[in-house]
Amino acid sequence: EAQVTQNPRYLITVTGKKLTVTCSQNMNHEYMSWYRQDPGLGLRQIYYSMNVEVTDKGDVPEGYKVSRKEKRNFPLILESPSPNQTSLYFCASSLLMGLAGGNKGDTQYFGPGTRLTVL
Amino acid sequence: AQTVTQSQPEMSVQEAETVTLSCTYDTSESNYYLFWYKQPPSRQMILVIRQEAYKQQNATENRFSVNFQKAAKSFSLKISDSQLGDTAMYFCAFTGGNNNDMRFGAGTRLTVKP
Repeated sequence: EAQVTQNPRYLITVTGKKLTVTCSQNMNHEYMSWYRQDPGLGLRQIYYSMNVEVTDKGDVPEGYKVSRKEKRNFPLILESPSPNQTSLYFCASSLLMGLAGGNKGDTQYFGPGTRLTVL
Repeated sequence: AQTVTQSQPEMSVQEAETVTLSCTYDTSESNYYLFWYKQPPSRQMILVIRQEAYKQQNATENRFSVNFQKAAKSFSLKISDSQLGDTAMYFCAFTGGNNNDMRFGAGTRLTVKP
């Protein structure tokens, strides 16, 4: 089954304790992305990746890191979480969004979400 | 920078009736893509419909259709014959040009009443 998986689905942690949220897709998609969802703000893009070893900042990258060492995986790392990072996080993937700089606007497929609480 | 605005935080509709959710966006790009995503209580993000800006014909998917007005930068979603299962948050989204990011509106919470 084609899907995007995220782990964990729920996480409660304390300020300053490093954590990683994993994301994996089995559709051979080039493009992967992380979003956070907050009430009244919709989804805001944190980071995205066009391909292996290629990552770019989205709207709200502060306090987050990502890596893309393999095509299928795109983990989100919070080196020192703070309470303002309490949110619902989504990973998404799609076919190549940009080809030689052009945006193909392919549909993104989303993971089930990770509810993170930082105390 | 591109922005997406959904001016209706909440809406409700009676079952079997029609409802329209509004979305406006701001961009200087000539070619771009617009989406409507549905998020039911399960929190899963589900694509409802996709529109390519260079296509003048409005996209339709069964009971869902859009009214795409490029000059007005408007992209509304019409849901016909509303069903209880349509109760969800609906997000409008934009991606375009040489930018590879994606922008979402704040969402509209739709409730379908029996």
